[in-house]
Amino acid sequence: DGGITQSPKYLFRKEGQNVTLSCEQNLNHDAMYWYRQDPGQGLRLIYYSQIVNDFQKGDIAEGYSVSREKKESFPLTVTSAQKNPTAFYLCATIPHRNTEAFFGQGTRLTVV
Amino acid sequence: GEDVEQSLFLSVREGDSSVINCTYTDSSSTYLYWYKQEPGAGLQLLTYIFSNMDMKQDQRLTVLLNKKDKHLSLRIADTQTGDSAIYFCAERRAGNNRKLIWGLGTSLAVNP
Repeated sequence: DGGITQSPKYLFRKEGQNVTLSCEQNLNHDAMYWYRQDPGQGLRLIYYSQIVNDFQKGDIAEGYSVSREKKESFPLTVTSAQKNPTAFYLCATIPHRNTEAFFGQGTRLTVV
Repeated sequence: GEDVEQSLFLSVREGDSSVINCTYTDSSSTYLYWYKQEPGAGLQLLTYIFSNMDMKQDQRLTVLLNKKDKHLSLRIADTQTGDSAIYFCAERRAGNNRKLIWGLGTSLAVNP
């Protein structure tokens, strides 16, 4: 089946630790995106990548890092520099035809 | 989400029609989207409309676009309890690197 897989679904992190959220797609889509969702704040763009080995900062990139070594994968690392990382993280892809975005099921990150 | 605005809450009775409204600011918008998010899940595309269209109908869903007023609406006919979710409006602007601009979402509650 084609789709976007985010893992894990739930993730707990101790303060001061880095964690990496996985996003894998087998849709052969060029563009991939990471969003953060907080209650009442809608979706805020963290990073996006339009081709392999290239990515750009979104609106709230501080404290996050990404890589795009393969077309299928766009992992997001939440570093200890992110002061308030507890949130719901969504990965999305957009195909070349540039119409709609497709979303994964999200990862809920909680700092304990 | 400041460039795309939606009311935050809507409550309707089962069987009634729901109308969710959205306003946007950029006249260069090419596509406008409605996404649905159920609790703890990713976003699911409901429908989208190209900017040169006035209306699009898909089963129980009707999208109306008023380009002059930069107003988009989503009407759900015969609203069911399964329609309870958050509905996001999003726009794509011309030449914007395939980034979407999101509203904050409208939480629809359907009461039996």
